Amino acid sequence: KQEVTQIPAALSVPEGENLVLNCSFTDSAIYNLQWFRQDPGKGLTSLLLIQSSQREQTSGRLNASLDKSSGRSTLYIAASQPGDSATYLCAVRPSSNYQLIWGAGTKLIIKP
Amino acid sequence: EAGVVQSPRYKIIEKKQPVAFWCNPISGHNTLYWYRQNLGQGPELLIRYENEEAVDDSQLPKDRFSAERLKGVDSTLKIQPAELGDSAVYLCASSLPSGEQYFGPGTRLTVT
Repeated sequence: KQEVTQIPAALSVPEGENLVLNCSFTDSAIYNLQWFRQDPGKGLTSLLLIQSSQREQTSGRLNASLDKSSGRSTLYIAASQPGDSATYLCAVRPSSNYQLIWGAGTKLIIKP
Repeated sequence: EAGVVQSPRYKIIEKKQPVAFWCNPISGHNTLYWYRQNLGQGPELLIRYENEEAVDDSQLPKDRFSAERLKGVDSTLKIQPAELGDSAVYLCASSLPSGEQYFGPGTRLTVT
């Protein structure tokens, strides 16, 4: 059974720092992996989607990597800003079905 | 392009009362998902539709939850009767087949 873990559960850093959020999964048979952002009281916004054949995806200051063999993905945020404060969730879609398996998220606070 | 629309955004009801949530997916998206998200956790899939057919409802508590997607567009999720433990955010998402999921803002349900 696929399980997704995100550590740490919360992270607070000063503005301007580069940071890395971690996501690990137990079964390497995945179709893709997505990183989402969730602001308080709001829905989920897709940030990056990495197909199983890809190693990384980039969008602006965000870079997500995928290492299937080790069951890990990282989301790198460059030059963090207070507006980046949110909860970041990763979700894995197994090869065998459409259901996304979610991590519990990392709550990120960027201090001005 | 309009995103996924959900209503209401917030709902407060007393236990044992019925409640219904509505979702309008992105135009052209045949696949529709209902999720439930408890505080500090990732979303949990309740039901997935392909057009008007519920293709995965294995995690829907069928004793009190029901859903429909008439004409394969809008969808309604109903709870009757509601229990205290049903308090959560109910998220709707849509996608093209095998595609990236796009989420609505969610409905925050509080059962008192």
